[in-house]
Amino acid sequence: DVKVTQSSRYLVKRTGEKVFLECVQDMDHENMFWYRQDPGLGLRLIYFSYDVKMKEKGDIPEGYSVSREKKERFSLILESASTNQTSMYLCASSIPGQQETQYFGPGTRLLVL
Amino acid sequence: QQQVKQSPQSLIVQKGGISIINCAYENTAFDYFPWYQQFPGKGPALLIAIRPDVSEKKEGRFTISFNKSAKQFSLHIMDSQPGDSATYFCAASSRGNRDDKIIFGKGTRLHILP
Repeated sequence: DVKVTQSSRYLVKRTGEKVFLECVQDMDHENMFWYRQDPGLGLRLIYFSYDVKMKEKGDIPEGYSVSREKKERFSLILESASTNQTSMYLCASSIPGQQETQYFGPGTRLLVL
Repeated sequence: QQQVKQSPQSLIVQKGGISIINCAYENTAFDYFPWYQQFPGKGPALLIAIRPDVSEKKEGRFTISFNKSAKQFSLHIMDSQPGDSATYFCAASSRGNRDDKIIFGKGTRLHILP
């Protein structure tokens, strides 16, 4: 079974803090994705990556950056957290050419005070 | 043109009834239409998917109906059970698209009354 794990289930941070969300997948997938999920807005793509050290902006990249130093690990960084970044963050991975099947982690619920 | 429009936003169905969720798209380059199911506290998981060369696909109590000319597709859950209560996302993708992205609908929160 493909497993995607996220470092924290719940996080509480203060405005202005730097926040790191970690995601690890164990199936050697090239593609990895970060989404945020908000009620009524569905899943919105923040960043994605096809390969190590590669990254592409998604639909809402402002205020976020990412890092992919190893194939299995994709990190989302909030350089200076703001209250409007309070959300559920979901990481996913997929095989190239089979992008319709994404494997999601359990999510990190982030609260920024 | 990249959007997938999903309705309704929320749905309440009696146990044993039929749940129907509808989606529409504009981009004719889409060639794969998956549905994802998300339980509270979990990430979404692939439930069922269809290609546009067929009009219907059935897996157990779950059926996708696809209308290529109308650019619409829908999920039907027959004999709905309380365990089906979840958020459902329709999606669309294009295998020819190097971006390897899925475009998700905004989701439908389904509640099945016991």
